[in-house]
Amino acid sequence: GQNIDQPTEMTATEGAIVQINCTYQTSGFNGLFWYQQHAGEAPTFLSYNVLDGLEEKGRFSSFLSRSKGYSYLLLKELQMKDSASYLCAVRSPRAGATNKLIFGTGTLLAVQP
Amino acid sequence: DGGITQSPKYLFRKEGQNVTLSCEQNLNHDAMYWYRQDPGQGLRLIYYSQIVNDFQKGDIAEGYSVSREKKESFPLTVTSAQKNPTAFYLCASRPGGTDQLYGYTFGSGTRLTVV
Repeated sequence: GQNIDQPTEMTATEGAIVQINCTYQTSGFNGLFWYQQHAGEAPTFLSYNVLDGLEEKGRFSSFLSRSKGYSYLLLKELQMKDSASYLCAVRSPRAGATNKLIFGTGTLLAVQP
Repeated sequence: DGGITQSPKYLFRKEGQNVTLSCEQNLNHDAMYWYRQDPGQGLRLIYYSQIVNDFQKGDIAEGYSVSREKKESFPLTVTSAQKNPTAFYLCASRPGGTDQLYGYTFGSGTRLTVV
């Protein structure tokens, strides 16, 4: 089956570092995405990993281990505006069809002063 | 500026009515998607279209219908056959061919409520 697991909620302090984990079990793997979604708004693209290792982009970094079916999103120097849901999504190839993007339930991050 | 526009932002429907949600993009993207988002669940794929005049069912297509007569437009109709239509609906698009780097571009969503 297809399954993506993320913690439901996390709380962190302004200025701190937080790591949001994502584990996946999918029939095939063709890349992993992280999106940020503020309440009632569109998800916005944060990062993409297809090879093992760390991708850094400013205050945000994303790590992937394909052998472990594991990724994390690292947010540094947290700001109040980082309070949002963070969605992990895996692209899974399908025979004879377009790649399918499978989403986790999202992790709601609350940044406190 | 290029982007995806969904309208309306909020929509109320009476039971037994069909309603159509609009999705328009000016990104020249080939593929378009409709997702449904419910509390505590990940985004679930309703329908997708890779090219004009072609579309495919996603995981939860029952009670929904779509059309793709123009590249820019991918409207979703929620029919009376959809038993639990109250949800947040997201439209997305991506370029055709190799698209690995940037994933999907999403619209701002339509919140549908059955009254």
